[in-house]
Amino acid sequence: DQQVKQNSPSLSVQEGRISILNCDYTNSMFDYFLWYKKYPAEGPTFLISISSIKDKNEDGRFTVFLNKSAKHLSLHIVPSQPGDSAVYFCAANSNSGYALNFGKGTSLLVTP
Amino acid sequence: NAGVMQNPRHLVRRRGQEARLRCSPMKGHSHVYWYRQLPEEGLKFMVYLQKENIIDESGMPKERFSAEFPKEGPSILRIQQVVRGDSAAYFCASSPLGLNTEAFFGQGTRLTVV
Repeated sequence: DQQVKQNSPSLSVQEGRISILNCDYTNSMFDYFLWYKKYPAEGPTFLISISSIKDKNEDGRFTVFLNKSAKHLSLHIVPSQPGDSAVYFCAANSNSGYALNFGKGTSLLVTP
Repeated sequence: NAGVMQNPRHLVRRRGQEARLRCSPMKGHSHVYWYRQLPEEGLKFMVYLQKENIIDESGMPKERFSAEFPKEGPSILRIQQVVRGDSAAYFCASSPLGLNTEAFFGQGTRLTVV
């Protein structure tokens, strides 16, 4: 039962352009959302998060948007850099649970 | 300040053997979470432990899998009588408080069952 879905397995973007990674969720109890970045053979690294009381959170080149009515969030990276090439995981949590629910990830390739 | 340390990084076991995966949390962290990532999948929660206590094991398979976090020493994820389907990357995360959102992940143990 996949409660967090990342429907694009891969994305290729040119350096300097915007990368938009999308994520949908089905559980209306989720109230905290996170994005993790993962390089091969390494563990996930926290990138940015957003609480359900907000619709936008920005940190440098990274912005996460949350549309609660659509149960959709997106991560914008601008400008994209080759070092951003990695797998990006969307994750969600609820106040009542301990587990982070992860999507399957989107592999981002930023080409020079 | 060392991060979350997992060992071994790679582990090969024959079917029927036991696998022991170790996780040393970050200094000052007393909350540990184990996740499993199957090929082409996202991370799936397995178990959440505090020192000497299992808090939530709702993601653990009912048989062959166990976890502990003793008062002294690392957290251990133990898989008995491994099968090919256990081949996966196992990640440990730790946090200072019982808030999953502040968890830091280790580099993982890649288990291959042959």
